[in-house]
Amino acid sequence: AQSVTQLGSHVSVSEGALVLLRCNYSSSVPPYLFWYVQYPNQGLQLLLKYTSAATLVKGINGFEAEFKKSETSFHLTKPSAHMSDAAEYFCAVTESDSWGKLQFGAGTQVVVTP
Amino acid sequence: EAQVTQNPRYLITVTGKKLTVTCSQNMNHEYMSWYRQDPGLGLRQIYYSMNVEVTDKGDVPEGYKVSRKEKRNFPLILESPSPNQTSLYFCASSSGGTASNQPQHFGDGTRLSIL
Repeated sequence: AQSVTQLGSHVSVSEGALVLLRCNYSSSVPPYLFWYVQYPNQGLQLLLKYTSAATLVKGINGFEAEFKKSETSFHLTKPSAHMSDAAEYFCAVTESDSWGKLQFGAGTQVVVTP
Repeated sequence: EAQVTQNPRYLITVTGKKLTVTCSQNMNHEYMSWYRQDPGLGLRQIYYSMNVEVTDKGDVPEGYKVSRKEKRNFPLILESPSPNQTSLYFCASSSGGTASNQPQHFGDGTRLSIL
């Protein structure tokens, strides 16, 4: 069975500072991992995905994430926060043999301060 | 424009009054899914469909029904809504093949309040 843990339900960062959102997963088979972003009153948009190619994945809006199998982690980073990054971020996992079953973390709300 | 369209966006109704939330996608996707979003719980999958006439339960299917008679539509039915089904609902779709590695495209959500 798969599960996802996002550490920290709220994160506050200063504009220009590093954004680091943590995601750990449990999976019995090789996983596919995703980060989604949700802006207020909108649906989720894909930021990036890991599907067993390169372990460092680059996404949209300057975000990237690194898959570390030994740590079962897929943390999301952005070197310099922008005010427009204020949103809720979700990590999600699905197993390679589990067609259709996508498991989400509880989400991390990011606040960016001037 | 590629999109997933949900209707209605907002609905306030009463316990026991049957309701349907429609979902339509214009991307010819095989896979469609319904989620509910509740504070502190993230998104939880209700039902999903791998193709026409093929549906399966997600993690929280109790109190919901779905059907997939056409590829583009995947309505969510609440036969007898109860207050614990008050939530924000999202429909999503993705292409088939090895679909577990395909990203899902989400609608803008339907906020349901059951009084």
